[in-house]
Amino acid sequence: GESVGLHLPTLSVQEGDNSIINCAYSNSASDYFIWYKQESGKGPQFIIDIRSNMDKRQGQRVTVLLNKTVKHLSLQIAATQPGDSAVYFCAEITDSWGKLQFGAGTQVVVTP
Amino acid sequence: GAGVSQSPSNKVTEKGKDVELRCDPISGHTALYWYRQRLGQGLEFLIYFQGNSAPDKSGLPSDRFSAERTGESVSTLTIQRTQQEDSAVYLCASGRQGSYNEQFFGPGTRLTVL
Repeated sequence: GESVGLHLPTLSVQEGDNSIINCAYSNSASDYFIWYKQESGKGPQFIIDIRSNMDKRQGQRVTVLLNKTVKHLSLQIAATQPGDSAVYFCAEITDSWGKLQFGAGTQVVVTP
Repeated sequence: GAGVSQSPSNKVTEKGKDVELRCDPISGHTALYWYRQRLGQGLEFLIYFQGNSAPDKSGLPSDRFSAERTGESVSTLTIQRTQQEDSAVYLCASGRQGSYNEQFFGPGTRLTVL
């Protein structure tokens, strides 16, 4: 079936550098794409989303890019901090109820 | 303000026993979702509630799984005759009507079936 998946299972980044987390999706009909951050022992936390009719959206220190031509989604984190260490999931809303389909996740490790 | 809460935070049970997991959504959120997260994996959708009706039960893995919701408040997920493969973190999320793109997750219940 159609699914959302991630390219890199683990990303190690030095504190202060920029991070880029990638995600491939296959469901062309999805209306929203969302990035979640999950710290150990906690539930996922909404970071940022983007509608399918947009290419780019910026938040505080984060930018999400959507390339519908190649069905690719990315999350950029500027000036990565130790508190950014977590697992990051991309997800897509697959129906009008808000049902989320998640990728497998990328572990981001911030090193001093 | 209060977020989504779940109880218990941890549950250890023996194979074959029934378990009930509880979710208290954010007040006023009409939508409620249950997901399952196996160790080191992403979240799998289980069931969705709009109010107290469940228009989408497509993710429930077997008839041992059921869920109900009282009005627009608490929901319980029941797993009967638990199996070891049921071991996972069960996460609940809630959302406002018209803002389903932003779902708020609880901390989850870690279920271990021995």
